[in-house]
Amino acid sequence: GAVVSQHPSRVICKSGTSVKIECRSLDFQATTMFWYRQFPKQSLMLMATSNEGSKATYEQGVEKDKFLINHASLTLSTLTVTSAHPEDSSFYICSAKTGADSFNEQFFGPGTRLTVL
Amino acid sequence: GEDVEQSLFLSVREGDSSVINCTYTDSSSTYLYWYKQEPGAGLQLLTYIFSNMDMKQDQRLTVLLNKKDKHLSLRIADTQTGDSAIYFCAVSSGGYQKVTFGIGTKLQVIP
Repeated sequence: GAVVSQHPSRVICKSGTSVKIECRSLDFQATTMFWYRQFPKQSLMLMATSNEGSKATYEQGVEKDKFLINHASLTLSTLTVTSAHPEDSSFYICSAKTGADSFNEQFFGPGTRLTVL
Repeated sequence: GEDVEQSLFLSVREGDSSVINCTYTDSSSTYLYWYKQEPGAGLQLLTYIFSNMDMKQDQRLTVLLNKKDKHLSLRIADTQTGDSAIYFCAVSSGGYQKVTFGIGTKLQVIP
């Protein structure tokens, strides 16, 4: 199946710094990528949907100035958590969708665990 | 918006069948999925069903859909210790982009 990678897998940072997380589709072109956040023992919460070459669409309640998303190419999307605070600590998962067919199969990355001290 | 609910925990003995249940609210849901998440990992799509189907079988996995009751279930036959994971029910509808996930059911398989 299609492979999606994320880098880094774990990151620890100090409060107030910014952290960039990369999501790459390794063997396919992803026209659409999704960013999710998962709290412990909770479901995935969709943060934003990004289409290559256009601005990301953020879900209600997600601060677009805090969570910057760039989908610069068909194989790479980045999520930057700006001025991170301890409450931003979470497991961030990206997914990528191939093509434009109606079946919404998303291929998920392994996730990035962010800890803000 | 769409709401997807599942129980939090299920424990079964190795070799028994596991049944994980899910309910959803949006009757226009078109695709319904089951994902598996192992500790510290991303999600793996196990199987899916279209809303015009009642049942789908794939090796040890059987998905049953009751559209009237908006109920989806995943049956795992001959459950193995390697099946221990969190199983997420998910549905998508309308514009096909957005997938709504349930909270996940943690399956514990006892040897």
